[in-house]
Amino acid sequence: KQEVTQIPAALSVPEGENLVLNCSFTDSAIYNLQWFRQDPGKGLTSLLLIQSSQREQTSGRLNASLDKSSGRSTLYIAASQPGDSATYLCAVVDGNQFYFGTGTSLTVIP
Amino acid sequence: DGGITQSPKYLFRKEGQNVTLSCEQNLNHDAMYWYRQDPGQGLRLIYYSQIVNDFQKGDIAEGYSVSREKKESFPLTVTSAQKNPTAFYLCASSPGVAAGTQYFGPGTRLTVL
Repeated sequence: KQEVTQIPAALSVPEGENLVLNCSFTDSAIYNLQWFRQDPGKGLTSLLLIQSSQREQTSGRLNASLDKSSGRSTLYIAASQPGDSATYLCAVVDGNQFYFGTGTSLTVIP
Repeated sequence: DGGITQSPKYLFRKEGQNVTLSCEQNLNHDAMYWYRQDPGQGLRLIYYSQIVNDFQKGDIAEGYSVSREKKESFPLTVTSAQKNPTAFYLCASSPGVAAGTQYFGPGTRLTVL
């Protein structure tokens, strides 16, 4: 069974810093990997989707990379802002299911 | 507007009662999902459906039931057999299970009194 791990569980940075969130998964036979954002008490919003054949995806200040062979993905956030404060979750599609990590809670301090 | 709606936003249940959570989507997606989220834990899959009139159990299906009579609707019933039902429940849909992004509803917070 696929297991998805996210490190760190929580992160606090001053505004303007660049930061990296990590996601690892145990089985490299995935269809795709997604990064989501979740605000407190809300549903998830998709940020980036990387197909298994791709190495990275970019959207604005966000860049996600995928290394299937090592079972790792990173989400890079450039020039962080207080509005980026949220929980970030990664998920892999393996077979017929999405498997989610437990998330990284990010706080950007003004 | 296209999207997924869940109702109610908050739900209170007495022990021993069954309750049904609503999930509706107008995205014309084939696949729909129900997840449970507990504090400090990731999302855990309860049930998913790839097409109308078909659904499969996820990792924690015990004490829950679903139906998929219409493409746009995937209601979840939390039965009295679910021993610890207090949680945040999220519904999602996608074009297909292995295709594209999952879109999530706003969630329903269920509390057992």
